[in-house]
Amino acid sequence: GQQLNQSPQSMFIQEGEDVSMNCTSSSIFNTWLWYKQDPGEGPVLLIALYKAGELTSNGRLTAQFGITRKDSFLNISASIPSDVGIYFCAGQPLAGGTSYGKLTFGQGTILTVHP
Amino acid sequence: DAGVTQSPTHLIKTRGQQVTLRCSPKSGHDTVSWYQQALGQGPQFIFQYYEEEERQRGNFPDRFSGHQFPNYSSELNVNALLLGDSALYLCASSFWGLSVVYEQYFGPGTRLTVT
Repeated sequence: GQQLNQSPQSMFIQEGEDVSMNCTSSSIFNTWLWYKQDPGEGPVLLIALYKAGELTSNGRLTAQFGITRKDSFLNISASIPSDVGIYFCAGQPLAGGTSYGKLTFGQGTILTVHP
Repeated sequence: DAGVTQSPTHLIKTRGQQVTLRCSPKSGHDTVSWYQQALGQGPQFIFQYYEEEERQRGNFPDRFSGHQFPNYSSELNVNALLLGDSALYLCASSFWGLSVVYEQYFGPGTRLTVT
């Protein structure tokens, strides 16, 4: 099935460093969501973005909805060991469209933080 | 406030058997979506239920079917299991808005192993 192009696939960083990851699509989305998943668990919603150009923060996390509506970015500042996990982007199309309610996911970015 | 719950947490089935997975949405939510997540991949949308009807469907065969009950809980049924059906099955709940897209919150998942 269709998936978003998420990069990088994995990152190995030192505690305290900043992290950036992004997600691109050939299709326009009206909502971008960022999730974190720990092994054996379900994805946990981190940030939701609703407007093109929107910049939203949640603690040390900041995400942006790209102007073209085809991309989104997630930054984590001053990483800590508990940031370890898999980060997924997900796009949701326009309400009322034929795919309304269907989330399309990226393949994930595996983040490892060394103390 | 209880989040999304799923049962069972894991199960093992044999090829050709049938399985039923269950989901209770987050309080206040009326929409349930099901996703399949293979190892190392992002979740793939199976289908979505609102008002006890299937509203959207992903690229999954008819062996995958579902149901939503009046209390908004949902079941996912898979018939004639194949080895390739082994995956983490995730349930996500949300509120169905006519003009606004809302976030989907995931449960912990059911790990299905087909032998």
